[in-house]
Amino acid sequence: DAGVTQSPTHLIKTRGQQVTLRCSPKSGHDTVSWYQQALGQGPQFIFQYYEEEERQRGNFPDRFSGHQFPNYSSELNVNALLLGDSALYLCASSLSPLANNEQFFGPGTRLTVL
Amino acid sequence: RKEVEQDPGPFNVPEGATVAFNCTYSNSASQSFFWYRQDCRKEPKLLMSVYSSGNEDGRFTAQLNRASQYISLLIRDSKLSDSATYLCVVRGSSASKIIFGSGTRLSIRP
Repeated sequence: DAGVTQSPTHLIKTRGQQVTLRCSPKSGHDTVSWYQQALGQGPQFIFQYYEEEERQRGNFPDRFSGHQFPNYSSELNVNALLLGDSALYLCASSLSPLANNEQFFGPGTRLTVL
Repeated sequence: RKEVEQDPGPFNVPEGATVAFNCTYSNSASQSFFWYRQDCRKEPKLLMSVYSSGNEDGRFTAQLNRASQYISLLIRDSKLSDSATYLCVVRGSSASKIIFGSGTRLSIRP
């Protein structure tokens, strides 16, 4: 049973570019959340997708957008990259959006913006 | 004030010691609480959920104090393998965003 997978593992971009990160949830999970983790900080919640819709959103600008596909996989898109967007981007899946459900994290995508 | 606050540490304790961390939260309507563990350059993994009555899992005990709005994690008989960053997670209802603390670093020395 595959856990949460993310691609790519690492990515280097320059300021102003756009990036797409991908996530496949754990088998049987239908809810996907995205987080940004800067060095030395805890993960910051970006947004959560359920039934192909954005359900919750953290304090991130509109440059951050996402999508969920019918097979529950998800993408995170970031436009007009800034140096400050350099971070580890984590995807987490859960059985449902219920608050007490455990989230399983993928290994993350490390994004470097030069 | 941050919504979820943790002492960043590092806590440096000898093997076999007992160590405790607290995590305070500002939203009194918070409903769900968790402790996650994150090893260096790895993803967070659930250590335990925190229930109102407190719960124990082997050497780990988690407690919730709603009146003072904090959760705690106690690790007994610490092992070298317990060295990691411990993240507390707080959430309101299912309609609320999920908030991580910035983590407490624990280092167990031989």
